[in-house]
Amino acid sequence: KNEVEQSPQNLTAQEGEFITINCSYSVGISALHWLQQHPGGGIVSLFMLSSGKKKHGRLIATINIQEKHSSLHITASHPRDSAVYICAVRSISGGGADGLTFGKGTHLIIQP
Amino acid sequence: GAGVSQSPSNKVTEKGKDVELRCDPISGHTALYWYRQSLGQGLEFLIYFQGNSAPDKSGLPSDRFSAERTGGSVSTLTIQRTQQEDSAVYLCASSFDRGNEQFFGPGTRLTVL
Repeated sequence: KNEVEQSPQNLTAQEGEFITINCSYSVGISALHWLQQHPGGGIVSLFMLSSGKKKHGRLIATINIQEKHSSLHITASHPRDSAVYICAVRSISGGGADGLTFGKGTHLIIQP
Repeated sequence: GAGVSQSPSNKVTEKGKDVELRCDPISGHTALYWYRQSLGQGLEFLIYFQGNSAPDKSGLPSDRFSAERTGGSVSTLTIQRTQQEDSAVYLCASSFDRGNEQFFGPGTRLTVL
């Protein structure tokens, strides 16, 4: 079982819809990251959070540490939001593991 | 300021050859990470540097893979005797310090024929 599970794997929605992408993880973490990757493009960090909620423009990320769950919301979605959204966690580890563990990503398509 | 840069952007090599991939992190960033993105595998962690030392090499898939970082800045990832399964996009990221937000480079697409 993957340590980081995302849902849905694929999501197609109409412009203007409210979008929710979910991420569940099974390990203790020090931080959770939401990343965005456009087709053929690089990876952009959207949020890094360890508790509560963060907002940037039309994007909102929440995390519930007790439930080991995070959500990424997009309000008033637009075709330019079409991308792969990746959840990644930094585990708490005494072994010095510092790299991120990634979910498989959610492929979002927003149709005009 | 400049972001993370990687070179080359694309590399095609023959099976069995050695390749060297380069990463220039954001100036002043002490932490540097190498990741790999393969079709069907998603993103996976390879190695982490804090300054010039690599306290975590747990993600390197085999002893054909090695990396170094000099002067607390540029890092090179070397793959010896490349195999077809090494074909992937190799991504570098840096952060101001361990545990901070990571900034990703554009990646090097490696194709092993």
